[in-house]
Amino acid sequence: SQTIHQWPATLVQPVGSPLSLECTVEGTSNPNLYWYRQAAGRGLQLLFYSIGIDQISSEVPQNLSASRPQDRQFILSSKKLLLSDSGFYLCAWSAVSYEQYFGPGTRLTVT
Amino acid sequence: KNEVEQSPQNLTAQEGEFITINCSYSVGISALHWLQQHPGGGIVSLFMLSSGKKKHGRLIATINIQEKHSSLHITASHPRDSAVYICAVISSGSARQLTFGSGTQLTVLP
Repeated sequence: SQTIHQWPATLVQPVGSPLSLECTVEGTSNPNLYWYRQAAGRGLQLLFYSIGIDQISSEVPQNLSASRPQDRQFILSSKKLLLSDSGFYLCAWSAVSYEQYFGPGTRLTVT
Repeated sequence: KNEVEQSPQNLTAQEGEFITINCSYSVGISALHWLQQHPGGGIVSLFMLSSGKKKHGRLIATINIQEKHSSLHITASHPRDSAVYICAVISSGSARQLTFGSGTQLTVLP
């Protein structure tokens, strides 16, 4: 069966520090991968999606970036965090069907 | 105007009541999801619809493609149904990424 992992589960980082959030999927090949963010009191928003290794599309201009170094690994990064980067970050995957499967999420607080 | 509009934003019901949450969208879609988010933040997919109606236990989801409208119904609501319910669509021709409604906070009182 397929599973999706995200880590860390929670993170507190100072403004200006770097960020690396990791997402891995097991039990499927060549999935589409997605990073979503939910800022406090706001709805979910697509940040990045990937249809294959090193194929990343960005939806929202910001100081975040994403990489997909392996088929089932998706990384969200920042060189310098802003206060506005605080939020709940969700990774998700989908395959041939339109079903989408979500990871447990990472709650990021930038102080 | 948001591509996906949900109503109501907040809903308080008494245990046992029948609940309806509505979702309207303005783009052509391949599919529509109803998601449930609990206070800890985790998200569970309740339904994925491209036409008609689906039922799972006390939950029923319907979609009218021509009217670009979907509804989520909860029969015999229970306090454990309290959560945020989110409508999300997959636009036609996209890479299956989701566009979300703003969510409906449901509170069911005992």
